[in-house]
Amino acid sequence: GAGVSQSPRYKVAKRGQDVALRCDPISGHVSLFWYQQALGQGPEFLTYFQNEAQLDKSGLPSDRFFAERPEGSVSTLKIQRTQQEDSAVYLCASSSSENYGYTFGSGTRLTVV
Amino acid sequence: ILNVEQSPQSLHVQEGDSTNFTCSFPSSNFYALHWYRWETAKSPEALFVMTLNGDEKKKGRISATLNTKEGYSYLYIKGSQPEDSATYLCASFNAGNNRKLIWGLGTSLAVNP
Repeated sequence: GAGVSQSPRYKVAKRGQDVALRCDPISGHVSLFWYQQALGQGPEFLTYFQNEAQLDKSGLPSDRFFAERPEGSVSTLKIQRTQQEDSAVYLCASSSSENYGYTFGSGTRLTVV
Repeated sequence: ILNVEQSPQSLHVQEGDSTNFTCSFPSSNFYALHWYRWETAKSPEALFVMTLNGDEKKKGRISATLNTKEGYSYLYIKGSQPEDSATYLCASFNAGNNRKLIWGLGTSLAVNP
């Protein structure tokens, strides 16, 4: 596609529910990043893939968070047993190279009630 | 730990005013500095990726400079227009940081017609 696509745009989850957020990067972009943005904050790094390899997951806040990119294209961020503090906008970005800017998706706004 | 700081936090200007913001970042192990524009309800949009000390980049009425030795970048907007209203984010890319962009909190610009 022409841009990075994320779905769903909005998700309301009951506390304790599992959620899965999807990211379709730009075709051919090897680098894919997930960020979390809480209200009033800048984006915080969660995890980074180069093709299918997850090279850095140091930003994942707990073992309830899990990300995968099995075929080096679409990525899924899964959050198990959601808590209220997980409420945030989850942004996905892809890039073809470190010398180019990232292209961001529109984000998924997760609200845990 | 990398800290990226931006100032001012917010700015209100009149249409036609020229303005500038600052991004400061640690200069050690510097690799690249990104500037993004983030309009409400949209995805961050890459403006510039700068890597070399003394770099100057321009896109229309927006330009940026980079000083890697002292660790700062300036973003300039000439003749601000209402459509320039957005949050301007900078992010530092550190060679030893496994490709993580470290983000500032942004400068929120409001241009009054």
